[in-house]
Amino acid sequence: AQKVTQAQTEISVVEKEDVTLDCVYETRDTTYYLFWYKQPPSGELVFLIRRNSFDEQNEISGRYSWNFQKSTSSFNFTITASQVVDSAVYFCALSEAVRFSGGYNKLIFGAGTRLAVHP
Amino acid sequence: GAGVSQTPSNKVTEKGKYVELRCDPISGHTALYWYRQSLGQGPEFLIYFQGTGAADDSGLPNDRFFAVRPEGSVSTLKIQRTERGDSAVYLCASSPTGTGGSPLHFGNGTRLTVT
Repeated sequence: AQKVTQAQTEISVVEKEDVTLDCVYETRDTTYYLFWYKQPPSGELVFLIRRNSFDEQNEISGRYSWNFQKSTSSFNFTITASQVVDSAVYFCALSEAVRFSGGYNKLIFGAGTRLAVHP
Repeated sequence: GAGVSQTPSNKVTEKGKYVELRCDPISGHTALYWYRQSLGQGPEFLIYFQGTGAADDSGLPNDRFFAVRPEGSVSTLKIQRTERGDSAVYLCASSPTGTGGSPLHFGNGTRLTVT
């Protein structure tokens, strides 16, 4: 069965600290996609990154970076020099490329990690 | 451009009533999804449309839940005989294609409260 575990329920940091959000997933598929979404207080889920199972290169986008390790089934997210605007709930999600009607994204979400960045 | 639009943003209804939740996806997006998010949880998949047809409705909890997308654009999620356990935020998402890996673009959701 597919499953996404975000063991950290809440994290509290002071501005400018670095913070890493953990994500561990389970899947039997060899082809799958991993995502991170941000949900600010407004409620809208904002797409941050997608990674497919064949691409283990780490990625950096500004203050954000992602570490994908298939050997440990982890896809961790690091925010460098955190800011108050980073305060939100962050979700990791898994999608298996279902071969049905051309394939689609049936995202399975973790429970989320609430990040609070204090001034 | 305009994002996914969901109406109403909030809906309060009495137990046993019927409700309709509307989703207007991003123009041109053929794939549409409904998710439900309970307090403190991640979103859970309900149903997926490719065009007008429901390609996967395996996430609908029971037959009180139904969704349509008659013209391949706007979708309506319908809940009959609402129960207090139906209270949640209902999220709609769309993507350009149904291809695995296409990021989903989510709306702000409809917060449903059943009293």
